[in-house]
Amino acid sequence: GAGVSQSPSNKVTEKGKDVELRCDPISGHTALYWYRQSLGQGLEFLIYFQGNSAPDKSGLPSDRFSAERTGGSVSTLTIQRTQQEDSAVYLCASSLNPGDNEQFFGPGTRLTVL
Amino acid sequence: GENVEQHPSTLSVQEGDSAVIKCTYSDSASNYFPWYKQELGKRPQLIIDIRSNVGEKKDQRIAVTLNKTAKHFSLHITETQPEDSAVYFCAALGGTASKLTFGTGTRLQVTL
Repeated sequence: GAGVSQSPSNKVTEKGKDVELRCDPISGHTALYWYRQSLGQGLEFLIYFQGNSAPDKSGLPSDRFSAERTGGSVSTLTIQRTQQEDSAVYLCASSLNPGDNEQFFGPGTRLTVL
Repeated sequence: GENVEQHPSTLSVQEGDSAVIKCTYSDSASNYFPWYKQELGKRPQLIIDIRSNVGEKKDQRIAVTLNKTAKHFSLHITETQPEDSAVYFCAALGGTASKLTFGTGTRLQVTL
């Protein structure tokens, strides 16, 4: 079946504008994760959704970042009033269940804030 | 929370040689340790994982070892090939957590 998909693949925006990034997880996967990867850097955890439980938002870097997951499937990561330091690749991953299960990553959205 | 450290940050080996990447973790209750490979411009993909009830796991040219007492685990790649060139990330799942903590990555370059 289809893997994790993300859109858009690239996003260029001006400083101060809001952006929305979308993630479609693998069907049936209950856990969904967002990560940020700056150029040449590691995977920075942002937020984690599991079923109908309250999300783990402990990785969000500021209150300009928020995410939701509607109907236990598609997720949207929103960044308000973007700053240049928000420029990075935003990766989404899903797993069948949380914990010790393989995470399948999407291709990422490359965000550039001018 | 869990803290994972990874070394080295870069590693260059000649084709055919072995490569070893090491990670340490802080949460003694951690029980799952995957390794992901990320080729340039691509998404990370799981290559091997190990659970805390075993000390070693092999899959063809790659192996992972786990020392629970010392709280460290390592990735071993034998007979390296140019296609092994990539960034490798280790990760650990804390005892009470549902999300992975990733290491900072190792850029492996296999030269001809």
